[in-house]
Amino acid sequence: AQTVTQSQPEMSVQEAETVTLSCTYDTSESNYYLFWYKQPPSRQMILVIRQEAYKQQNATENRFSVNFQKAAKSFSLKISDSQLGDTAMYFCAFMHYFGNEKLTFGTGTRLTIIP
Amino acid sequence: DAGVIQSPRHEVTEMGQEVTLRCKPISGHNSLFWYRQTMMRGLELLIYFNNNVPIDDSGMPEDRFSAKMPNASFSTLKIQPSEPRDSAVYFCASRSGGRYGYTFGSGTRLTVV
Repeated sequence: AQTVTQSQPEMSVQEAETVTLSCTYDTSESNYYLFWYKQPPSRQMILVIRQEAYKQQNATENRFSVNFQKAAKSFSLKISDSQLGDTAMYFCAFMHYFGNEKLTFGTGTRLTIIP
Repeated sequence: DAGVIQSPRHEVTEMGQEVTLRCKPISGHNSLFWYRQTMMRGLELLIYFNNNVPIDDSGMPEDRFSAKMPNASFSTLKIQPSEPRDSAVYFCASRSGGRYGYTFGSGTRLTVV
């Protein structure tokens, strides 16, 4: 079974700084999807960014980018110019490319942006 | 697009009572998922449907839990009888397939006293 590991339970950073959240996963498949979701105090789960494993280019969405290292099975999220609204839990998640559409989540990283 | 709609947002019930959670997926999405979130166990998939058919229910904890999807625009998750350990946030999500991720509803916070 696939597993997703987020080794940083909590992080904090000053506003406007850059922060990187770590995620590693375990799979024997060569094609799959990886996601980062954000859960602010409102508890809404919001998709931040998506990466297809067959793409070598790292995904970018405005201030959010990933460092996808397929061989190392690593998928970190970088938040640039952090803002107070980035304060949230961040979950890394894995999904198969074929077949089962289950999203397997990591345990999350609680990120606090300090004014 | 109104997104995935869940009701109720909060539910407080007494142990032993029946609880029904409701979900309306995004129109055109052919997969629907029920997740449970707790501090101890994180986000767990309970069951998912594709084209209204249950595909993976391996996460349903026991016979007290049941889920239905009678049509493409509605699903229910029922707990009967409820127990205090069922207290959690229950999320519904839907997906259109391919490379797209889930769109989640706002969740139902269930408290069983």
